Amino acid sequence: SQQGEEDPQALSIQEGENATMNCSYKTSINNLQWYRQNSGRGLVHLILIRSNEREKHSGRLRVTLDTSKKSSSLLITASRAADTASYFCATEETSGSRLTFGEGTQLTVNP
Amino acid sequence: DVKVTQSSRYLVKRTGEKVFLECVQDMDHENMFWYRQDPGLGLRLIYFSYDVKMKEKGDIPEGYSVSREKKERFSLILESASTNQTSMYLCASSLWGWAGQPQHFGDGTRLSIL
Repeated sequence: SQQGEEDPQALSIQEGENATMNCSYKTSINNLQWYRQNSGRGLVHLILIRSNEREKHSGRLRVTLDTSKKSSSLLITASRAADTASYFCATEETSGSRLTFGEGTQLTVNP
Repeated sequence: DVKVTQSSRYLVKRTGEKVFLECVQDMDHENMFWYRQDPGLGLRLIYFSYDVKMKEKGDIPEGYSVSREKKERFSLILESASTNQTSMYLCASSLWGWAGQPQHFGDGTRLSIL
């Protein structure tokens, strides 16, 4: 069963704007991870946030985690056309090291 | 950088055939995973393995089996291919660890069963 649910399913913005994607989940987790997938390619790991962390940054990426609301958000600042891709959240539950992926958000950044 | 290599990018097979999808990783990772990805359904875990000769069922193991004879290689087997197994198949690997490890993915095999 799918643990994470991303919102929105699709997002279209202009270059230079910020993009925010949200993820909700249902059970207790060890960590939450965000991945990116370019069309026709495999997933690439972007960032991992542990259950005892609230915010994490990596370059133009900012991830927040609210364990009380069982939700996370991924913010991409100053977006570029090259950021066009699908973005997935994945949760690692406290019971093991397997990940459960959401259905993804398709981000389109228009030049 | 970790490299996960899947043997074929595109594969076309016929119904009833036995199909082998191969995956090799070069970073001595303990964990390896097979997913299928379908529109509207996201990634679903088929099988995973924590060590050589060990395997665990994921969420949708029916119609599939796996083999892990060497640490670096994890094979997915479709025993008798059916049209509903047409999909994108993704292999991934990760280190074993308590603190959470990212998964590294191959580029996928787009499999069509005719």
